[in-house]
Amino acid sequence: DGGITQSPKYLFRKEGQNVTLSCEQNLNHDAMYWYRQDPGQGLRLIYYSQIVNDFQKGDIAEGYSVSREKKESFPLTVTSAQKNPTAFYLCASSITAQGLTDTQYFGPGTRLTVL
Amino acid sequence: AQKVTQAQTEISVVEKEDVTLDCVYETRDTTYYLFWYKQPPSGELVFLIRRNSFDEQNEISGRYSWNFQKSTSSFNFTITASQVVDSAVYFCALRLARDQGGSEKLVFGKGTKLTVNP
Repeated sequence: DGGITQSPKYLFRKEGQNVTLSCEQNLNHDAMYWYRQDPGQGLRLIYYSQIVNDFQKGDIAEGYSVSREKKESFPLTVTSAQKNPTAFYLCASSITAQGLTDTQYFGPGTRLTVL
Repeated sequence: AQKVTQAQTEISVVEKEDVTLDCVYETRDTTYYLFWYKQPPSGELVFLIRRNSFDEQNEISGRYSWNFQKSTSSFNFTITASQVVDSAVYFCALRLARDQGGSEKLVFGKGTKLTVNP
C-alpha cells in the first residue's frame, strides 16, 4: 500500500540528547515536509524539501536539522538546542515541486516527550 | 501575511445533529488554495478537500459539504446528520499558488475540536 510512515509512534528522550524521527514515503512524491503540533496551536512548518539534496527552513527551524539523501526519506533530528521539543511531529509529502495544486498528505505522526 | 482563523475552539453536538465549522482566511493574493483536514484521536491528518480561489462552487461529498465565499473570505464546513465517528479535530488551511511566489507553507488554523455524543 502507498503511504507515509513515521517511526517510532512514541519517543522518549532525556534532556540534552539528540533524537532522529523517521519519515518514509512510497508515493513517489517530490516534496516532503515536517510540521510540529502543540496543543491548541495548530501545525507549524519546521523544514521542507522540494527535491533530493535540497531543503529549506520553515517558520520554526531553530534546534532542528534534516537531510534528504533519498527521495523516499526525510529524517528530522531534534537537537539538544531545541528548547522545548516535547510535541507531536507530523511528516507530509506532496506530488511535485512543479505543480501548482499539490495537496499535502500526512503520516501518522511521532509523539516526542522529553523527560 | 496569510492567516486562518477558526474561531470555534470546541463544539459538542448530539448524534444526527447538523454542525458547521467556521473558517475565515486572510490573504492579499488572488490565487490561493484552501484545505480542510480531519485529525481523529489517532493523530494522523486526513485530507478532506482542496478548493482553489477561482472555484466558488459549493461542494458536497456524502454528509460533508463546503461553502466557499470569497466576499466574506470564508470556507465553512458542514457535517449533516453527524455521527460519533465524526469526532475529531478539524483544521482549515491556506496555501498560496507557487507561481505567485507562494511558499511551500500551509498556513493552518488552530483547529476546531468536534465531539459528537451518542
